[in-house]
Amino acid sequence: SQQGEEDPQALSIQEGENATMNCSYKTSINNLQWYRQNSGRGLVHLILIRSNEREKHSGRLRVTLDTSKKSSSLLITASRAADTASYFCATAHTGNFNKFYFGSGTKLNVKP
Amino acid sequence: DAGVTQSPTHLIKTRGQQVTLRCSPKSGHDTVSWYQQALGQGPQFIFQYYEEEERQRGNFPDRFSGHQFPNYSSELNVNALLLGDSALYLCASSFRQGSDEQYFGPGTRLTVT
Repeated sequence: SQQGEEDPQALSIQEGENATMNCSYKTSINNLQWYRQNSGRGLVHLILIRSNEREKHSGRLRVTLDTSKKSSSLLITASRAADTASYFCATAHTGNFNKFYFGSGTKLNVKP
Repeated sequence: DAGVTQSPTHLIKTRGQQVTLRCSPKSGHDTVSWYQQALGQGPQFIFQYYEEEERQRGNFPDRFSGHQFPNYSSELNVNALLLGDSALYLCASSFRQGSDEQYFGPGTRLTVT
């Protein structure tokens, strides 16, 4: 399976702390994307990182990609209660970049 | 600018019945993909439509079929419903097949009893 896997499955932190989630995948990718999902509703696109990039920033989000280890991490700095959600990584693989493979997600709980 | 819309929001069906879910892509988008998300799991790719044809398919049986209309909207049909088909069905749209980013709709929650 080309499905990615997020780690940890669940994460509980206090408001103001940083949250780090990891994603691992098995075969070479064209790009990797992170999504947020609130309460089982639609997915919100957060950030895309291409296979030739190592790090990207967007506001309080920082994503890294290590293609040699086939892994990515999402860092949310200065977390807020509103960041409470499930976070998924989705991979688009080389030669088949229209089909996204999602992991099972990390459930983040930010306590006020 | 309307984003991706899906209808209905919720649906309850009985085993063996058939269901049709609908999706309207974001304005300017011409490609629609469908995903199934079981409770507590990540979305699983069902298939993708572009230029009114199914272009790619995930590991789903033939009971799952679809259609894309000239206005780029799409339908997902599921025949002979099983209890295991209960899930959130997500539609995502993009511009041309090769687009990196997909925009997701709010989903249709299907419950099979």
